Amino acid sequence: DGGITQSPKYLFRKEGQNVTLSCEQNLNHDAMYWYRQDPGQGLRLIYYSQIVNDFQKGDIAEGYSVSREKKESFPLTVTSAQKNPTAFYLCASSIEGTSAHSYEQYFGPGTRLTVT
Amino acid sequence: QKEVEQNSGPLSVPEGAIASLNCTYSDRGSQSFFWYRQYSGKSPELIMFIYSNGDKEDGRFTAQLNKASQYVSLLIRDSQPSDSATYLCAVTTAYSGAGSYQLTFGKGTKLSVIP
Repeated sequence: DGGITQSPKYLFRKEGQNVTLSCEQNLNHDAMYWYRQDPGQGLRLIYYSQIVNDFQKGDIAEGYSVSREKKESFPLTVTSAQKNPTAFYLCASSIEGTSAHSYEQYFGPGTRLTVT
Repeated sequence: QKEVEQNSGPLSVPEGAIASLNCTYSDRGSQSFFWYRQYSGKSPELIMFIYSNGDKEDGRFTAQLNKASQYVSLLIRDSQPSDSATYLCAVTTAYSGAGSYQLTFGKGTKLSVIP
């Protein structure tokens, strides 16, 4: 059964702690993405990766870090430098991300992070 | 700043009616257009994509694209209460001048289908 998994579904952390969100896909997609969604807001791109061992900053990368050591995995670390980390975090993947006719992106179930 | 605009709603339609959702975008170079459905507390689910001017139909859904007017819409025929959700419009935009294309999302239109 192909798809994207994110874990955990809910995550609670104290302010000042780093936290890592997991994202795994078995769709054999080259490109992976992390978005953040706040209430009443659209999705904002944090980081994206078009190929293993390469990733690029999105619109709101400050306070976040990623790695792409395997094609299937794209974990996101929310660091203590992120001023407003409480949000719904969504991981997505697409076949590739370099075509003007951009292949459609498919989303995982999301992780809801609460920092107090 | 490339933008995608949607009316936030809520848009209320009676069951069985046609729901019409609209989206405008600012980047004339955009070439791919997507509609996602997002139920409350869930992740977005792709329901339609369109690349060429005109209409594209899939079951009860029709996507319409007019690149000259920079306008894309989604029609839902025979609306059902299960269609009640937020609908996100997403548009491909060139990103960072590095040969990559990313999706820019609108904030979504909340649709409510009244039984």
